[in-house]
Amino acid sequence: AQKITQTQPGMFVQEKEAVTLDCTYDTSDQSYGLFWYKQPSSGEMIFLIYQGSYDEQNATEGRYSLNFQKARKSANLVISASQLGDSAMYFCAMREGRGYQKVTFGTGTKLQVIP
Amino acid sequence: ETGVTQSPTHLIKTRGQQVTLRCSSQSGHNTVSWYQQALGQGPQFIFQYYREEENGRGNFPPRFSGLQFPNYSSELNVNALELDDSALYLCASSPKGSGSYNEQFFGPGTRLTVL
Repeated sequence: AQKITQTQPGMFVQEKEAVTLDCTYDTSDQSYGLFWYKQPSSGEMIFLIYQGSYDEQNATEGRYSLNFQKARKSANLVISASQLGDSAMYFCAMREGRGYQKVTFGTGTKLQVIP
Repeated sequence: ETGVTQSPTHLIKTRGQQVTLRCSSQSGHNTVSWYQQALGQGPQFIFQYYREEENGRGNFPPRFSGLQFPNYSSELNVNALELDDSALYLCASSPKGSGSYNEQFFGPGTRLTVL
């Protein structure tokens, strides 16, 4: 079974609009962490936002927020006021348990911001 | 920039050869993870090193091996290269070992092409 599922291979959004990138996950651990990374065409993975499984409030970092629905095992990324520079691949990822920091990534969503 | 550097940036090898990729962690980080990212896929965890010891391994054969040095820089070695080893290899460092929630800071990657 897929640990991280991103069902949107590609998304388009108008500049200045908000967009939601979907992510669902599968784990039996009680302690886990969820991440979103941005990967521009240059290849470097850029950390955007983190949500711990015990965090009661949704994480926010500037224009990024994580819509964490634990019962549904979903961790959607919301980008507000999209900018042209937001065009990139976006990966949802999960770290399980309290052991070593293996992070499992989804297959990614390619976001294109239209002027 | 994350402060994590990788060398070389690009590399071309032929089947059967051996390759060594290098990663310099961000200052103060004692944990490094290596990932393989095939074209159009999310990164796949290879292994992690914590204080010079392998601290976890993904589903990769033994011809993928690694080292971490006292200054916490790291090497990924791949023997008997196969065509499917062609990928972007990412290293990521983090400031603590097991039990930490800290995000991983990724380097720019090494793009390996096997002919």
